[in-house]
Amino acid sequence: AQSVTQLDSQVPVFEEAPVELRCNYSSSVSVYLFWYVQYPNQGLQLLLKYLSGSTLVESINGFEAEFNKSQTSFHLRKPSVHISDTAEYFCAVRENSGNTPLVFGKGTRLSVIA
Amino acid sequence: DTAVSQTPKYLVTQMGNDKSIKCEQNLGHDTMYWYKQDSKKFLKIMFSYNNKELIINETVPNRFSPKSPDKAHLNLHINSLELGDSAVYFCASSQVLAVYEQYFGPGTRLTVT
Repeated sequence: AQSVTQLDSQVPVFEEAPVELRCNYSSSVSVYLFWYVQYPNQGLQLLLKYLSGSTLVESINGFEAEFNKSQTSFHLRKPSVHISDTAEYFCAVRENSGNTPLVFGKGTRLSVIA
Repeated sequence: DTAVSQTPKYLVTQMGNDKSIKCEQNLGHDTMYWYKQDSKKFLKIMFSYNNKELIINETVPNRFSPKSPDKAHLNLHINSLELGDSAVYFCASSQVLAVYEQYFGPGTRLTVT
């Protein structure tokens, strides 16, 4: 079974400052990794994913995450945040075989302060 | 067009009642899911259906019964509602054997009083 740990439940950061949201996972098999974002009163949207290949993956809105197998981590970063990035961010993992469900971390609330 | 839709968006009801939440996807996906998000925002899988067949059934009380009339729909029926059932319920869908994105609906906020 897989598990995901998001070490920070809340991260306040000033606008235009960099941010890192941490995610560590545990699994006995190979996995795929995802970051989802949930804006207030909305459903989840996929932000980015790691399936294979390059360990650094990027989203269209400036976020990036790096898969580190030795540290079993998939931290999310952005060099300069905007007010509109305020949201709940969920790291998720699933086995890389079969039609298995996503296992989510408990989420990190990113609050961008003007 | 909405890819994954859920109705209703809000549901307020009393303990002991029976209620249903409907989910529809127009993406042509074969697999659909129900997730529960509790008051602390923790998301957990409840059920998964593949082509109308139940393939994942996590430890969920028998009061919860999913029904998939066709592969585009996955409804959730809850009997004898309890206070602890208050949560946001999300429906999602994905391609069969796709390792890619699960598309989520907007959620149904269920409040049991």
